[in-house]
Amino acid sequence: SAVISQKPSRDICQRGTSLTIQCQVDSQVTMMFWYRQQPGQSLTLIATANQGSEATYESGFVIDKFPISRPNLTFSTLTVSNMSPEDSSIYLCSAAVGTGELFFGEGSRLTVL
Amino acid sequence: AQKVTQAQTEISVVEKEDVTLDCVYETRDTTYYLFWYKQPPSGELVFLIRRNSFDEQNEISGRYSWNFQKSTSSFNFTITASQVVDSAVYFCALSELADSWGKLQFGAGTQVVVTP
Repeated sequence: SAVISQKPSRDICQRGTSLTIQCQVDSQVTMMFWYRQQPGQSLTLIATANQGSEATYESGFVIDKFPISRPNLTFSTLTVSNMSPEDSSIYLCSAAVGTGELFFGEGSRLTVL
Repeated sequence: AQKVTQAQTEISVVEKEDVTLDCVYETRDTTYYLFWYKQPPSGELVFLIRRNSFDEQNEISGRYSWNFQKSTSSFNFTITASQVVDSAVYFCALSELADSWGKLQFGAGTQVVVTP
């Protein structure tokens, strides 16, 4: 299995500011992903964090709004830029391990005022 | 189009009752993976099972069991003798080979409420 740690676990932010969420995996993984879970909703994939290259974004998500970095095989960051109340969500990092399982971090609960 | 359908929004049971969660999926791929996750009130996603499309054998893990039926595109999940700690939202998810491994499409989730 893999242990995935996210920071911060929760935050309250002001409209117009940006927040960077960190995701650390306790082992090297080939693939990392970022998901969003809006209040009372299911999870939606934001992007695949590619090591050493630009992230691959899903329809409806753009790099300017959600810049992602992945400098190595154990770490990634997601920034939520120019936040609005609609960005209030749980943001989850996930990693695919060799056993075929996909693990998730505990999530970062973001509230934008 | 919704690729994973969990038609049950909420299921309420009394402790020790069995509960079955339905999951119907849609894909044109012949190789795909199906998952179940549990999300307790604390919010973290707990991995329960991954099943590939070539393995239709049903699986049992303790009080949990899964019934995979390709003929009906269903991957149902049963909790036997439910307990209060089973109260959570349960998500079914699909990963298609056409996508990169690890990209999951989630169903809407089913809230399970187990009362003493």
